[in-house]
Amino acid sequence: EVQLLESGGGLVQPGGSLRLSCAASGFTFSNFAINWVRQAPGEGLEWVSIITPTGTGTYYADSVQGRFTVARDNSKSTLYLQMNSLRAEDTAIYYCAKELVPGPIGVAGTFDYWGQGTLVTVSS
Amino acid sequence: EIVMTQSPATLSVSPGERATLSCRASQSVSSNLAWYQQKPGQAPRLLIYGASTRAAGIPPRFSGSGSGTEFTLTISSLQSEDFAVYYCQQSNTWPPWTFGRGTKVEIK
Repeated sequence: EVQLLESGGGLVQPGGSLRLSCAASGFTFSNFAINWVRQAPGEGLEWVSIITPTGTGTYYADSVQGRFTVARDNSKSTLYLQMNSLRAEDTAIYYCAKELVPGPIGVAGTFDYWGQGTLVTVSS
Repeated sequence: EIVMTQSPATLSVSPGERATLSCRASQSVSSNLAWYQQKPGQAPRLLIYGASTRAAGIPPRFSGSGSGTEFTLTISSLQSEDFAVYYCQQSNTWPPWTFGRGTKVEIK
């Protein structure tokens, strides 16, 4: 059974930092690109970032470019999101989401399994 | 960035009735369109990808159609567990992949 389990959320002050983790199981982690998608309270879904299966390629939404960094450790089947210079508008539930199709990002963009999410609140 | 527009924002339907949800892209996304269902307090669940292919374990009452800029999700006979928010998402042009704002299907 595919499982994704996020952790690391919490309350942080504006300008602060936080690192999220996503522990994966039930599939060959190193074969799939993985995404971060967020959802502000009461709002819709916003794609944040993707990392290639090997970790050599990373892409970001304009809203987080330069502040967030995605990384992965395939030996631990774990995905990370380092979030710096946090703003109030980064307040959201952060989900990790697995790609439907294994392999390079060229066939990416469909998210077949999602974690339960971790809440990040940026407030003073 | 491709803008996805969903309509209506809220759809009131009685159990057993048919529900038709619409999604429009600001430019062609070919058939690279997915639908997700989200219930309160839960993560989204993939229903449809490639505009019309049901994801694993999705019952046949859910069907998707369309291509280019106009897409439809149809739920043929609403069950109690189908009352939720539904999002469309394009995977044709990235970054970013973009979602619609959602359609809430509520009990009439």
